[in-house]
Order: sequence, then structure tokens, then C-alpha cells
Amino acid sequence: AQSVTQLDSHVSVSEGTPVLLRCNYSSSYSPSLFWYVQHPNKGLQLLLKYTSAATLVKGINGFEAEFKKSETSFHLTKPSAHMSDAAEYFCVVSDQDGGSQGNLIFGKGTKLSVKP
Amino acid sequence: DAGVTQSPTHLIKTRGQQVTLRCSPKSGHDTVSWYQQALGQGPQFIFQYYEEEERQRGNFPDRFSGHQFPNYSSELNVNALLLGDSALYLCASSFGQGSGNTIYFGEGSWLTVV
Repeated sequence: AQSVTQLDSHVSVSEGTPVLLRCNYSSSYSPSLFWYVQHPNKGLQLLLKYTSAATLVKGINGFEAEFKKSETSFHLTKPSAHMSDAAEYFCVVSDQDGGSQGNLIFGKGTKLSVKP
Repeated sequence: DAGVTQSPTHLIKTRGQQVTLRCSPKSGHDTVSWYQQALGQGPQFIFQYYEEEERQRGNFPDRFSGHQFPNYSSELNVNALLLGDSALYLCASSFGQGSGNTIYFGEGSWLTVV
């Protein structure tokens, strides 16, 4: 069965410093992995996705993630945090391989706080 | 281009009542999924509709049912509401059944059961 584990429930950084949100996954086949962001009282927005192409995936708003099969990790990074990055971040894996649309399995989320 | 739209945005129901939530997918999308997000948790998959049929279902009781209409819009129905059904209900849409297709989420419907 597929699953994701977000290693930190809360991360706090200062504005202008790097962001690292950690995620490990478990999958019995080549996974499709995603990062979503949820701002307060807003829906989920896709930051980036990995679907077996390049292992370094660039997303919106300066975020990127690297797929490391040997470590079963898909950590999210950003070189310099902005105040507007404060939100809840979810690491997500699709539950099926191949051509069928599986459902999304979410981690428990990491709340990112950005201090001025 | 309107994204995924959901209604109502907030509602309060009493235990034992029934509720219907509605979703219009993003233009051009034909697949709709529903998720339940309890406070402080990640969303959990309820079910997915494609071509007006339920294609997949998560670990939710039969009190949760749904429907997809010919215009691809969808409804989520919950019967015999329990306090534990209080959550944000998210609708997501995508085009086709490919696992790499981008999934878009609506802003959700907040359900409070008292």
C-alpha cells in the first residue's frame, strides 16, 4: 500500500532563509508524487508533481522537490522564504501506477510559519 | 476560466439529518473526486466519479453516497449525520483517468454537525 510520512508537523523559518519540508513515501511501484499547499480558508493548490520524468521537479513560487528513490524521499525546498509562504503543506502520493487515475493519499501536513 | 466550484461554503446540520454538497468541475474536466478533511488532518479520499459511475471508493461507510450528472457536476450526500462527520469536504476534478493528470481542488464546503 502507498503512504507518505511528513517528518515535521511544524516548521518555523525566518523570512529570507531556506525552507526544507521533509517527506518520505512508501510505494510498491513507481509513484506519482505531489506537493500541495493550503492557505487558511482556501482550497488546495498544486505546487509541483513528479511523474517519473526528471528527478528534480520545479514548481510554482520558487519551490522545488527532488525525488530520491534510494532514500524514498521527496523533500520540498525553497531558497528564500517569503511571508506569503506561511501555510499548510501536504505531501501526496497517487495510489496507482500506470494509466489509471488513482486516488490521492495525503500526509498529515506540515505547517510552515515564516517570521519577519 | 472558472476552477472547481463548490456549494454551499458553510453549513450547520443536526445529528441524524442528511446533507447534500455540490461541485462543478473545472471546465473540460470529466472526473470528480471527493475528499474529507477533518480539522488538523490531511484530506482523505471518499470516492471518485467518472462517466457518471462511481469508479473507486475509500474507506467510508455507505452513509456517504454520490452522483455525477451528464454535465460532469457532482453531488455528495451524507445520511444520518454524526458529530464526527464535521469536516471540510473538498471536491477535486481532472481530465481523464491518467495517473499523472493534474488534479484541481475547490475551496471546499465546511460542514458542522451539532
